[in-house]
Amino acid sequence: KNEVEQSPQNLTAQEGEFITINCSYSVGISALHWLQQHPGGGIVSLFMLSSGKKKHGRLIATINIQEKHSSLHITASHPRDSAVYICAAGRTNKLIFGTGTLLAVQP
Amino acid sequence: DVKVTQSSRYLVKRTGEKVFLECVQDMDHENMFWYRQDPGLGLRLIYFSYDVKMKEKGDIPEGYSVSREKKERFSLILESASTNQTSMYLCASRTPESPLHFGNGTRLTVT
Repeated sequence: KNEVEQSPQNLTAQEGEFITINCSYSVGISALHWLQQHPGGGIVSLFMLSSGKKKHGRLIATINIQEKHSSLHITASHPRDSAVYICAAGRTNKLIFGTGTLLAVQP
Repeated sequence: DVKVTQSSRYLVKRTGEKVFLECVQDMDHENMFWYRQDPGLGLRLIYFSYDVKMKEKGDIPEGYSVSREKKERFSLILESASTNQTSMYLCASRTPESPLHFGNGTRLTVT
C-alpha cells in the first residue's frame, strides 16, 4: 500500500461540474500539499495546509487530520482546469507524492 | 514572484557520460530539492539541501550526487549516465514555511 494514495486516477467531467479529488496518507505530516501540473508544463503549488480548509478562487482544499484524508474541490469546472493534480504529504524536507489524478474537463 | 530556473529543458546524453543539471532560485530559499518524475511512480526525492554545502540523501540517491556551493544554486550530477536514468528531473525550492516552487523540468534521455 502506498503511503500517499489519490483517487480517482483519471477523471473526465463536463464544463461546469463540481469536481472532487481525494488523497489519503499514512505518514506523519507537518503539512499536506496540492499541486497542479499541465501537460508539458511545470508544477505549480495550489495549497499547503495542515488543518481545516483553504479556498482560492474556484478551488477549495480540506484536510481531516484524524482521518488522514484531504480533498481538493473545483467548483464550476472549466476546460482550462484540465491538468494532473498531485497530492504530497510529509515533513518539511521529505514529502511523499501521490501518483496524480489526470483531470479532463470537456466543453 | 519566485523563480526557479533549470538550465536545460531537454537533454540527450550517451551512456557513461557525466551529466550536470543546474538549478538556480532567486528567492534566498534555504531548502532546495531534486526530484525525478516517472510515469506511474510520481515524484521521488533524489537529494535535498538545507544550506550551503549541506545535503541529505532522498529516497533514490544511487547513481547521483549533488553540489551546493552557493545558496541560490543546486546542481545534480549523474556520475556515469545510464539508460535507467532517462526521466524528467525537477528542481524545487522553499523555506520551511512556504510551499514548494518548481522549475520547469529537464527531460533527460540517455541513449
